[in-house]
Amino acid sequence: IQMTQSPSTLSASVGDRVTITCRASQSINTWLAWYQQKPGKAPKLLIYKASSLESGVPSRFSGSGSGTEFTLTISSLQPDDFAFYYCQQYNYLWTFGQGTKVEIK
Amino acid sequence: QEQLQESGPGLVKPSGTLSLTCAVSGGSISGDKWWSWVRQPPGKGLEWVGEIHSSGDTNYNPSLQSRVTVSVDQSKTQFSLQLTSVTAADTAVYYCARGPHSWGPGTLVTVSS
Repeated sequence: IQMTQSPSTLSASVGDRVTITCRASQSINTWLAWYQQKPGKAPKLLIYKASSLESGVPSRFSGSGSGTEFTLTISSLQPDDFAFYYCQQYNYLWTFGQGTKVEIK
Repeated sequence: QEQLQESGPGLVKPSGTLSLTCAVSGGSISGDKWWSWVRQPPGKGLEWVGEIHSSGDTNYNPSLQSRVTVSVDQSKTQFSLQLTSVTAADTAVYYCARGPHSWGPGTLVTVSS
């Protein structure tokens, strides 16, 4: 299963609403996770099962979608949110998207 | 939720074998669970390497299948990764994980003479 994530880079300002998209090459139901990664750190789970917020993750993060189209939304970008973001399907084995760098505009 | 910790040599010679262990604490390694390895070359994205079920069933990334073996040692509450015939392209941070929720901190393995 191929995962296509877009955009590869996103320039935004603090307070902006940000959306990242992930598309699967075939249906993965809702077996999709979103991670945030900062330099030198392991990926941090934000969202699992497409829309379930991991414990301790701020509510400004949300996920939606099913089948082949998924989105991660950050409702109001905070300084701590500038990082890389990856989607991952775990419907059949694991595949990751190419990643999105969220940078300061 | 389990805690995972990778360990192993940080430097491997070209054509050699990369061997890593993931120690699992705070939970059982047995039961209906899959244990995974993921790697990330410097400056690049995440790549799934393979997984093992506590029963011993395995699945591997097709691009690595001929060189990779994942095993589990329930008595030691750990699972392991072996990657043979390594080249510089196998230089990466290697993570062990269980499902999306539990990841180790990662360990950098450099392939160099």
